[in-house]
Amino acid sequence: DADVTQTPRNRITKTGKRIMLECSQTKGHDRMYWYRQDPGLGLRLIYYSFDVKDINKGEISDGYSVSRQAQAKFSLSLESAIPNQTALYFCATSDTQGGNTEAFFGQGTRLTVV
Amino acid sequence: RKEVEQDPGPFNVPEGATVAFNCTYSNSASQSFFWYRQDCRKEPKLLMSVYSSGNEDGRFTAQLNRASQYISLLIRDSKLSDSATYLCVVQYNFNKFYFGSGTKLNVKP
Repeated sequence: DADVTQTPRNRITKTGKRIMLECSQTKGHDRMYWYRQDPGLGLRLIYYSFDVKDINKGEISDGYSVSRQAQAKFSLSLESAIPNQTALYFCATSDTQGGNTEAFFGQGTRLTVV
Repeated sequence: RKEVEQDPGPFNVPEGATVAFNCTYSNSASQSFFWYRQDCRKEPKLLMSVYSSGNEDGRFTAQLNRASQYISLLIRDSKLSDSATYLCVVQYNFNKFYFGSGTKLNVKP
């Protein structure tokens, strides 16, 4: 099983619908992130959380919200989906212990808003 | 100005070739540096961390030049399986990660 699991893996939704993307991890990391990836633009940070009580906006948070339900779970919501939110979404985790600070990614959620 | 900039490529090279990618970053306070590999429609995966002294892992060599704020990745004896997009990543204060848009490598027989 993957250490960072995203659900769903693929989703097609209609404009105006609310949708939630979920992320869970078994790595025990305190830090979790949501990114979106668009062709030619790389990964852009939507929201990040350094622990359950800490939520921070990233560079493109408008139209999104998040919830850190537990250390292992971090969900991303699109309150009212619009077509330009069609993208590949990645959840990631990282840690600050032991000197290894790299990010570990989930397998991604491909979201299409029609 | 982007935090991290990379040449998008694509780099089209024959098997066995040596290929080098460069990446520049804008924040001189950056502390951690990485190269990630991303296959089409897959998640990015860590290829190697980049240290000030430079580091090597098999056919892959990474270098960091703090004075000029650039990072390089050298791939020797390219394999077909090296075809992917390579992402340059910097991190400030063990905080957020900033990604380059990636450099696409195509290794051809």
